[in-house]
Amino acid sequence: KQEVTQIPAALSVPEGENLVLNCSFTDSAIYNLQWFRQDPGKGLTSLLLIQSSQREQTSGRLNASLDKSSGRSTLYIAASQPGDSATYLCATTGTSGSRLTFGEGTQLTVNP
Amino acid sequence: DTGVSQDPRHKITKRGQNVTFRCDPISEHNRLYWYRQTLGQGPEFLTYFQNEAQLEKSRLLSDRFSAERPKGSFSTLEIQRTEQGDSAMYLCASSLALRVAGRNEQYFGPGTRLTVT
Repeated sequence: KQEVTQIPAALSVPEGENLVLNCSFTDSAIYNLQWFRQDPGKGLTSLLLIQSSQREQTSGRLNASLDKSSGRSTLYIAASQPGDSATYLCATTGTSGSRLTFGEGTQLTVNP
Repeated sequence: DTGVSQDPRHKITKRGQNVTFRCDPISEHNRLYWYRQTLGQGPEFLTYFQNEAQLEKSRLLSDRFSAERPKGSFSTLEIQRTEQGDSAMYLCASSLALRVAGRNEQYFGPGTRLTVT
């Protein structure tokens, strides 16, 4: 059974700082890994999807990497802004390509 | 707006009542998923459909829960005889099937927040 862990559970940084969020998973037989953002009381917004054959994906100030063999992914946020404050969730899809298995998220606060 | 929509956004019900939620996926997506999220936790998978067929159900989906997708478009999730432990955010997502898109990027709706008193 896949287990996904995110560290840290919460992070507070000053505006402008570069930061890294960590995600680890126990079963390396994944189809892909997806990073999401969730604002309080809202649904999930997809940020980046990395397929199992890929090493990284970039979108604007976000860069996600994937190391399947070690069961790790990182989300790098450059030049953080107060608007980046949210909970960030990572999730894996198994080789059947169906259900997502989520971590518990990292709650990020960027202080002006 | 052509994203995933859910209705209602909020539902307050008394214990023992039945509730039904609706999800409308992105129109060209043939896969539809239901997840449940409690406070401070990541979402947990409940079930998913490909077209009108329900292909997988989690053990979390007790016999009080039933989901349907009768015409392969919108879906409903019904909870019978609600309990306080059912209080959660119910999230719906949709995607294209793998053989079509080669990837399984799931797009989520805003969720329905259920409170059972």
